[in-house]
Amino acid sequence: AQSVAQPEDQVNVAEGNPLTVKCTYSVSGNPYLFWYVQYPNRGLQFLLKYITGDNLVKGSYGFEAEFNKSQTSFHLKKPSALVSDSALYFCAVSGGSGKLIFGQGTTLQVKP
Amino acid sequence: DADVTQTPRNRITKTGKRIMLECSQTKGHDRMYWYRQDPGLGLRLIYYSFDVKDINKGEISDGYSVSRQAQAKFSLSLESAIPNQTALYFCATSDPWRGDEQFFGPGTRLTVL
Repeated sequence: AQSVAQPEDQVNVAEGNPLTVKCTYSVSGNPYLFWYVQYPNRGLQFLLKYITGDNLVKGSYGFEAEFNKSQTSFHLKKPSALVSDSALYFCAVSGGSGKLIFGQGTTLQVKP
Repeated sequence: DADVTQTPRNRITKTGKRIMLECSQTKGHDRMYWYRQDPGLGLRLIYYSFDVKDINKGEISDGYSVSRQAQAKFSLSLESAIPNQTALYFCATSDPWRGDEQFFGPGTRLTVL
């Protein structure tokens, strides 16, 4: 069965510092991996995805994620956090079935 | 204009009432989904449809039904609402040629008293 784990309910970082939001997954076959962001009272917005190719994926707003097959991880990173990055982040996985399985979400709090 | 729209955006109702949430899309995608979001639980799939004649149950379909009226429209019904169906509901669409990437509507906040 497919599953996604986001081990941290909340991540706190200071503005200007690098940030990492962790995600591990379990899926049969090759994974399709996604990160979405949700701002208060808004829907989910797509940040980036890994389907195949280079393990380092670059996405919107300066975010990037690294696919690590041996560790079954897909951590979201940004070199320098902004206060405006504060939001709820979701990792999701698909085995190519057309259905996504979402993690429980990680709240990112960036302090000035 | 938004590509995926949901109506209503907010709804308060009473236990036992029938409720319909509607989703429309202008993206031309065949695949549509309904999710609910609860704090700490992420998004859970209720129903999905890969074309107009295809309806499939998701992870948590009990107490819900759906109708796919056209490629662009996918409605979610709660036949007899109960308080534990209080949640944020999202509709999404996808194009299989884009590797399962999904596009979300703004959500409907439903409160069942």
